[in-house]
Amino acid sequence: AQSVTQLGSHVSVSEGALVLLRCNYSSSVPPYLFWYVQYPNQGLQLLLKYTSAATLVKGINGFEAEFKKSETSFHLTKPSAHMSDAAEYFCAVNTGTASKLTFGTGTRLQVTL
Amino acid sequence: EAGVAQSPRYKIIEKRQSVAFWCNPISGHATLYWYQQILGQGPKLLIQFQNNGVVDDSQLPKDRFSAERLKGVDSTLKIQPAKLEDSAVYLCASSLAFGYSQETQYFGPGTRLLVL
Repeated sequence: AQSVTQLGSHVSVSEGALVLLRCNYSSSVPPYLFWYVQYPNQGLQLLLKYTSAATLVKGINGFEAEFKKSETSFHLTKPSAHMSDAAEYFCAVNTGTASKLTFGTGTRLQVTL
Repeated sequence: EAGVAQSPRYKIIEKRQSVAFWCNPISGHATLYWYQQILGQGPKLLIQFQNNGVVDDSQLPKDRFSAERLKGVDSTLKIQPAKLEDSAVYLCASSLAFGYSQETQYFGPGTRLLVL
């Protein structure tokens, strides 16, 4: 069985501060991991994904994530937050052959002035 | 290229009524997914199609939910009769291929359903 746990349902940072959103996965086989962003009243948009090619993955809008097998983590970071980054972020895992994604419960990022 | 299209965007119904949602995936995408996203939760897969065949419907409440993907393109998700707990956002997604765990799924804007 595969699952992800996102620590912190709400994270608040100041504009210009570091963004760190946490994701831990559980999987008995090597996982593929994804981060999606959801803006209000919109669908999910892929930020980045880990497919075993490189442990440090760079995505859109300045986000990146590092796969750490020893810690079963795939945390999302951005060096400097912008107001436009305010949204809900979902971590997801896929270990099967049927392209089935299992999502975490999401982390809502608030960016303050 | 055009994204995943969904309609309607919003729907309000009373319990025990029926409702249908429509999805048009990205052109050429073989796999189509329907997710249910309840407020405060991550999306949960309801059903997955490869072309016009069902791959996984293990999480679909089949006593009230049904879905079809005729001709392997558009898809319709129906709820009949609706319950209060069906209030959620219904997301449609598509991906180019089938069977690849690293495949990216592209999501539509969703249909927000409120059951009163």
